[in-house]
Amino acid sequence: RKEVEQDPGPFNVPEGATVAFNCTYSNSASQSFFWYRQDCRKEPKLLMSVYSSGNEDGRFTAQLNRASQYISLLIRDSKLSDSATYLCVVEKNYKLSFGAGTTVTVRA
Amino acid sequence: SAVISQKPSRDICQRGTSLTIQCQVDSQVTMMFWYRQQPGQSLTLIATANQGSEATYESGFVIDKFPISRPNLTFSTLTVSNMSPEDSSIYLCSVEVSGNTIYFGEGSWLTVV
Repeated sequence: RKEVEQDPGPFNVPEGATVAFNCTYSNSASQSFFWYRQDCRKEPKLLMSVYSSGNEDGRFTAQLNRASQYISLLIRDSKLSDSATYLCVVEKNYKLSFGAGTTVTVRA
Repeated sequence: SAVISQKPSRDICQRGTSLTIQCQVDSQVTMMFWYRQQPGQSLTLIATANQGSEATYESGFVIDKFPISRPNLTFSTLTVSNMSPEDSSIYLCSVEVSGNTIYFGEGSWLTVV
């Protein structure tokens, strides 16, 4: 079983739509959780950390469910510029485990 | 945050040769990491580059194939030795900044022919 599993998508949504997707992780001792964004042929960039209480950054909302070992990301009012691959990342003892990514394409 | 520079940004290499990738950070960092991202795949940690000691390699990666140097707190190199087409990948340097946040260099795109 992979340490981090994501629905690869792609999620094709119109501008202005809301899109949400999850990721599950296998190690219950994982300590920190992140969403990274990776554009085509670019390096991953930190989108946001994920906290147990859930957190919001503008149009992006992240949730963590430790009991069920999943993390979610919701994007409201999608923009064309949100088109990217979103990587779910789980950290334990400074070691990161990456999901394979969920591809989101926002169309005009 | 941290500014991370990697060189070369891309290269095409002959099989059997070796390539050294350099990673320079604009501040002193304790933790530096090397990742590989093969086409269509997610990132896989190769090793943690420790300053003043040997790198710590993940399962499936060995020092003979991927020797790493970490001479100081701002610099590291990764060498991909005796390359084969299977080594064609993006190699990414990353650093840990306060709060367990990891930042990545722009990556080195390697194609082995």
